[in-house]
Amino acid sequence: DTGVSQDPRHKITKRGQNVTFRCDPISEHNRLYWYRQTLGQGPEFLTYFQNEAQLEKSRLLSDRFSAERPKGSFSTLEIQRTEQGDSAMYLCASSGLAADTQYFGPGTRLTVL
Amino acid sequence: SQQGEEDPQALSIQEGENATMNCSYKTSINNLQWYRQNSGRGLVHLILIRSNEREKHSGRLRVTLDTSKKSSSLLITASRAADTASYFCATDTGGSYIPTFGRGTSLIVHP
Repeated sequence: DTGVSQDPRHKITKRGQNVTFRCDPISEHNRLYWYRQTLGQGPEFLTYFQNEAQLEKSRLLSDRFSAERPKGSFSTLEIQRTEQGDSAMYLCASSGLAADTQYFGPGTRLTVL
Repeated sequence: SQQGEEDPQALSIQEGENATMNCSYKTSINNLQWYRQNSGRGLVHLILIRSNEREKHSGRLRVTLDTSKKSSSLLITASRAADTASYFCATDTGGSYIPTFGRGTSLIVHP
């Protein structure tokens, strides 16, 4: 068990560019979550997958955000036409069953200049 | 909107003292979890307590849950400088079991 990994750990981009983040969950976990966290706040839910199905999306997830989990294993989160307000830590978590503990990755820190 | 709110927002204590943090929430929950986050890093799970449980222990950690008051507390006994971190409670409700986090309590333990 290598835990949840995320790549890259840091991303600096210019406003208007597209960025993509990857999350590799714990291998036997069915559920995968994406959160966003800004300074001084707790993580805010963005979306989650059960296997390859995206089952819920937050109102925070604007049309510029898209997430995929094509084979029910790793997931990607893409932000198109980034804005300065997108600067945040993007956290991925996974869990087995619905009521299980979530295990978080180290996060990807995005800075939009 | 955030379901859980931690109190206090910040706590500063000396090494060896106990630290107590509280979490209040608004609607009935399935589970409540406590997480720790060191500065700028990922969250580490501490304890999960289910709605039908009242108390759980893990090492120096003790969590209580009072569903009638919609509140939980996290007690860290004999604190250490390494306990310095932000502590978050997360509650999940309904059928999706998606945890919703509070803003956290920032704990500083002075050596």
